Amino acid sequence: SALTQPASVSGSPGQSITISCTGTSSDVGSHNLVSWYQQHPGKAPKLLIYEGIKRPSGVSNRFSGSKSGNTASLTISGLQAEDEADYSCCSYAGSTTWVFGGGTKLTVL
Amino acid sequence: QLQLQESGPGLVKPSETLSLTCIVSGGSISSSSDYWGWIRQPPGKGLEWIANIYYSGSTYYNPSLKSRVTISVDTSKNQFSLKLSSVTAADTAVYYCARYDFWNGSFFDSWGQGTLVIVSS
Repeated sequence: SALTQPASVSGSPGQSITISCTGTSSDVGSHNLVSWYQQHPGKAPKLLIYEGIKRPSGVSNRFSGSKSGNTASLTISGLQAEDEADYSCCSYAGSTTWVFGGGTKLTVL
Repeated sequence: QLQLQESGPGLVKPSETLSLTCIVSGGSISSSSDYWGWIRQPPGKGLEWIANIYYSGSTYYNPSLKSRVTISVDTSKNQFSLKLSSVTAADTAVYYCARYDFWNGSFFDSWGQGTLVIVSS
């Protein structure tokens, strides 16, 4: 089943926020293969983080990832208005299957 | 620069089969480091992985959809396709095709723009 994310989070410009992504010992807990995606309305998802903590080239270092047990987290520091978007996590779930989270809407106040 | 473009009918009747194609340009679908996949997003909801395929034809399906889904690849045309049978309104979604790079870090890094498919009579 889908990974669990909070439906929404919010923060003011300049602040930091963290979005959690909770799975099970069969997916998030078993593999360091969690990726995070940013999605603006009407647009395709954009890769932000892979293997839980790595950033692709071109992605701001304000985005960082971590993992503890069955929960992965995405932290955005120095919030900017342009960060307002939906964020989704994805994990390898074994047996060549993948699972996404339900998505979190970030509002920059 | 790799580009993916989905194509197919935007309206499908209930109980019929949804068929979509993804054309890959700017790179080879026969890359040894990549899977090619379909992901969908119902209106206002989260992303759902549907299936992946390797250029050799090896397929991987979401267990919850496996009985209704077929993914295929045509390396001569540099494209891959999705068929979803016996559709219902619950299959209404934006369907994305994407590349999954499993060699350099395991991630979906290139996405099509998405195509909205509505299931309605």
